[in-house]
Amino acid sequence: DIQMTQSPSSMSVSLGDRVTITCRASQDIGNYLSWYQQKPEKSPKLMIYGATNLEDGVPSRFSGSRSGSDYSLTINSLESEDTGIYFCLQHKQYPRTFGGGTKLELK
Amino acid sequence: EVQLQQSGPELQRPGASVKLSCKASGYTFTEYYMYWVKQRPKQGLELIGRIDPEDGSTDYVEKFKNKATLTADTSSNTAYMQLSSLTSEDTATYFCARLRGYGDFDYWGQGVMVTVSS
Repeated sequence: DIQMTQSPSSMSVSLGDRVTITCRASQDIGNYLSWYQQKPEKSPKLMIYGATNLEDGVPSRFSGSRSGSDYSLTINSLESEDTGIYFCLQHKQYPRTFGGGTKLELK
Repeated sequence: EVQLQQSGPELQRPGASVKLSCKASGYTFTEYYMYWVKQRPKQGLELIGRIDPEDGSTDYVEKFKNKATLTADTSSNTAYMQLSSLTSEDTATYFCARLRGYGDFDYWGQGVMVTVSS
């Protein structure tokens, strides 16, 4: 199975911060990666697909990028509603595998 | 509007089985694979498997092959997952999620909490 190593596992951030979360793939996954946001007691919400594409309705302060086997989710100018847990998901190879998650909290 | 409505929370004894449901609406049920995902408390997400509602074909992640059984009823647009021989390790929230053409999950059920306790 492809391993997705996500970092950091948690971040304490301030409103207005620029935040970057990274997933590293253990094998080539091309751009077959998506990012999800999960609020407490809620289901995950798709934010980014195809590594760099913003899902409809997601604020433009979110963006995705790739550098080799490293995939990043960036939030420009963090807002309070952006707190939660973020996961990456690779779907290049079955079984699809998730990163371990990054918990974003406000300082 | 696409919705995936899951059944309510379950409290089960060790060794029992449980069948969870995921009722789809707002789209053609047979045109999208349905996946099931496990999330244990304060842990990440784990894929269980998927079903093609059109023909009932299934794929399971290896560790869940003897644990989960996926089915679908096209007459009611409902996907099901049965979990057998429950242990404390099965205590988790289970989500159904629709797979779209890009390969990601665009809609998720609200999740159902399964608690296994004697």
